[in-house]
Amino acid sequence: SQKIEQNSEALNIQEGKTATLTCNYTNYSPAYLQWYRQDPGRGPVFLLLIRENEKEKRKERLKVTFDTTLKQSLFHITASQPADSATYLCALYNFNKFYFGSGTKLNVKP
Amino acid sequence: GAGVSQSPSNKVTEKGKDVELRCDPISGHTALYWYRQSLGQGLEFLIYFQGNSAPDKSGLPSDRFSAERTGGSVSTLTIQRTQQEDSAVYLCASSLDRVGEKLFFGSGTQLSVL
Repeated sequence: SQKIEQNSEALNIQEGKTATLTCNYTNYSPAYLQWYRQDPGRGPVFLLLIRENEKEKRKERLKVTFDTTLKQSLFHITASQPADSATYLCALYNFNKFYFGSGTKLNVKP
Repeated sequence: GAGVSQSPSNKVTEKGKDVELRCDPISGHTALYWYRQSLGQGLEFLIYFQGNSAPDKSGLPSDRFSAERTGGSVSTLTIQRTQQEDSAVYLCASSLDRVGEKLFFGSGTQLSVL
């Protein structure tokens, strides 16, 4: 069966450190992978997109990697801030639809 | 409007009643998606509209669920004979008509079936 797995346990880190979130998938061949941020009571907000032929993408303090052999994407936030605290969702684009993981909650402590 | 608008933001209904949820996408966005998010869970795909093409209904969990999109703009998700397991946040998203294009989400409708 098709699965998208994100660590269900919250990630707690200290302000200023780098947060690394993982997205693993099975039985998908996504052409694109996206990361979204979701705050309580709000819809997800798009952060980054990476294509299957790209290894790495950066935007300001954010970095995404995409390994189609390992079927894994890593999402990094450098110099993390308390305002980065939220749930982060990965989404795979396959057969004209986006399939979402359940998200990982990030807590950045001052 | 500037973003995707959903109404109502909250809906409490009794088991067995029908409900309608509305989504007003960003102007010019031809793709529209409905997702369902249960507490602590990921987004579950329900239905996808793309332009004038037939919608992809492969995610609808039962025949009690239906959706339509009038004039390529506003969409309505209807749940008939609601059940308690239908309680969730229903999210609508729209995007431009490009492969893999990012989604813009509304704030969702919190549905509670008593």
